[in-house]
Amino acid sequence: AQRVTQPEKLLSVFKGAPVELKCNYSYSGSPELFWYVQYSRQRLQLLLRHISRESIKGFTADLNKGETSFHLKKPFAQEEDSAMYYCALSGRGSSNTGKLIFGQGTTLQVKP
Amino acid sequence: GAGVSQSPRYKVAKRGQDVALRCDPISGHVSLFWYQQALGQGPEFLTYFQNEAQLDKSGLPSDRFFAERPEGSVSTLKIQRTQQEDSAVYLCASSPGFRGSTYNEQFFGPGTRLTVL
Repeated sequence: AQRVTQPEKLLSVFKGAPVELKCNYSYSGSPELFWYVQYSRQRLQLLLRHISRESIKGFTADLNKGETSFHLKKPFAQEEDSAMYYCALSGRGSSNTGKLIFGQGTTLQVKP
Repeated sequence: GAGVSQSPRYKVAKRGQDVALRCDPISGHVSLFWYQQALGQGPEFLTYFQNEAQLDKSGLPSDRFFAERPEGSVSTLKIQRTQQEDSAVYLCASSPGFRGSTYNEQFFGPGTRLTVL
């Protein structure tokens, strides 16, 4: 079965503390993994994707195929990072439509 | 430039009514997706269009749900005989890529919040 699991509904940290948002997936094949973010009163937007291997707003995520995980990390949280974060996957191949399978989301709350 | 727009932003329907939700994708985007997001959940895929062709409707929960994109741009999601369990935010997303192409970023609209009483 294709599934994305985000075990934490809420993660609350103080400003300057490290952040790790967990994501595990189940997929038969080799998926593409993404993190999407939704700030308050804004629309859902792409934060980063694993094949880009880039850091966006100080966030990074490493795909661990052995553990089927794609955790999102940031060494020092900022108040403006407070948002809802969704982990998602998409299949690959000529028949793949690009549809996304999302996790349930984790609310990150960064306290001053 | 203009992003994906959706209308109406909010819709209240009585159980049994039909509703139509509109999506205006980014101009020139080939692919269009509809997702349903229930309260406290992540978005769930409903259906996919490549231009005017509906290539995947595997996520539509029942035959009360119908989507179209007749000219390959604007899309409408129609729900017939609405039920309380249809209450959700309906998201539309568009992307420039074709099916099978290297993943193209999906650009989401603000969503339509449907409440069925």
